[in-house]
Amino acid sequence: KNQVEQSPQSLIILEGKNCTLQCNYTVSPFSNLRWYKQDTGRGPVSLTIMTFSENTKSNGRYTATLDADTKQSSLHITASQLSDSASYICVVDDSWGKLQFGAGTQVVVTP
Amino acid sequence: GAGVSQSPSNKVTEKGKDVELRCDPISGHTALYWYRQSLGQGLEFLIYFQGNSAPDKSGLPSDRFSAERTGGSVSTLTIQRTQQEDSAVYLCASSQARGSGNSPLHFGNGTRLTVT
Repeated sequence: KNQVEQSPQSLIILEGKNCTLQCNYTVSPFSNLRWYKQDTGRGPVSLTIMTFSENTKSNGRYTATLDADTKQSSLHITASQLSDSASYICVVDDSWGKLQFGAGTQVVVTP
Repeated sequence: GAGVSQSPSNKVTEKGKDVELRCDPISGHTALYWYRQSLGQGLEFLIYFQGNSAPDKSGLPSDRFSAERTGGSVSTLTIQRTQQEDSAVYLCASSQARGSGNSPLHFGNGTRLTVT
């Protein structure tokens, strides 16, 4: 069973709107949680990295939150742009440096 | 270049043939990873190199898969006697060190392997 579950699998939003992606994990103990953006045909690119003691981290219009007690994280995209269309991947780094990848949420931003 | 470079970007091969995939990591990065990404699936760990230490091969799916890293830099992933289920995107990533807290992975754009 995958230790990192993401929801929804996919979503379509109108340009300019906000959206929130969810990540639930069972990896324990963990060192940090990462969000990556993967454009079609490209490799993933790091958006945020949070240690277990951090609750929120922003990178431009992307804001990630982390609740280590409930083992949940979210990625909020504000004022979406067409270039935000991509797959967003949640990754949990266990304390031994092994990375557990979620299957990703496919976001499509329409004009 | 400034990023991780992978070649070829696309490879079509016949079932039963051997293939070699190449990865040039970012200069100075001691950690190098290979992952496999199938459509709609999360990244699957294959193998990890850290400096001069013995590689972590725990993710290799069968003995048809092997990888080496020469001189602590360039890495090649070899798949022998390819099967159709080997078709996927093979991603390489490098970082300053494994489990180094806030050190992100830098990915290449992958090699899309199609076995016919």
